[in-house]
Amino acid sequence: DAKTTQPTSMDCAEGRAANLPCNHSTISGNEYVYWYRQIHSQGPQYIIHGLKNNETNEMASLIITEDRKSSTLILPHATLRDTAVYYCIVRPDLGAGNMLTFGGGTRLMVKP
Amino acid sequence: DTEVTQTPKHLVMGMTNKKSLKCEQHMGHRAMYWYKQKAKKPPELMFVYSYEKLSINESVPSRFSPECPNSSLLNLHLHALQPEDSALYLCASSQRGPGELFFGEGSRLTVL
Repeated sequence: DAKTTQPTSMDCAEGRAANLPCNHSTISGNEYVYWYRQIHSQGPQYIIHGLKNNETNEMASLIITEDRKSSTLILPHATLRDTAVYYCIVRPDLGAGNMLTFGGGTRLMVKP
Repeated sequence: DTEVTQTPKHLVMGMTNKKSLKCEQHMGHRAMYWYKQKAKKPPELMFVYSYEKLSINESVPSRFSPECPNSSLLNLHLHALQPEDSALYLCASSQRGPGELFFGEGSRLTVL
C-alpha cells in the first residue's frame, strides 16, 4: 500500500484558507487519494477524493500534483467547526471493498 | 437515509461478560467494516464484509467475533475481552468500487 506523510499539526486563523499538505510518493497509477476528517469523539467524515485531476465540492478542494506524488486539501474559509484531525489516505487496489488504512493525520486547530 | 447507526453508544463490561455491538445501514451498501480506535490514534481496520461474506480479518483475536446476518446489519460479538480492548469501535459501509465510506458515530467500549 502506498503510504502517506502529513504534518502532525497545523494552525489556521478563522476565515482564512487552510491548506493541508500530504505526500504520497509511492502512489501507483490506479490508486485514489482520499481525505477524511474526524471531529473529536465523532466518526470520520468523508471530504473528497481524486485520482489525477483537481476536484472541488461544497466542503473543500483537492489539488493533486501532476506526478501525483503529493496533494493539498484546501478549506477555503476555515471556521471553528473545521477543527479536527484530517486524514489523507491512498486507497489500495480493489479486491476487498473500499478498505481504507488511516495514517497519523494532521490535527488542524482553527483559531479565532 | 445516509446514516450508519451504531448501538449502544457506550458499553461497560467485565472481562467475563458476553456483549454485542450492532451496526445498521439502509443505503443499500454491500460492504461493511469494523474499525477500532484507541485514544489519540487513527482508526485501525478489523474486519471487512463484502456481500455478507467476511473478506478481510486483520488478524483480530478470536474474542472478537463479527457477524453479518443480512445486507443492512453488522454485529460484533465480544467475549472474554481484556482491559486493553477498551476503545471506540467504528462501523462503516460503502458501495463497492471507488467512493466514500460512511461511518457511524461509534460505540465506546470500556472493559473493566
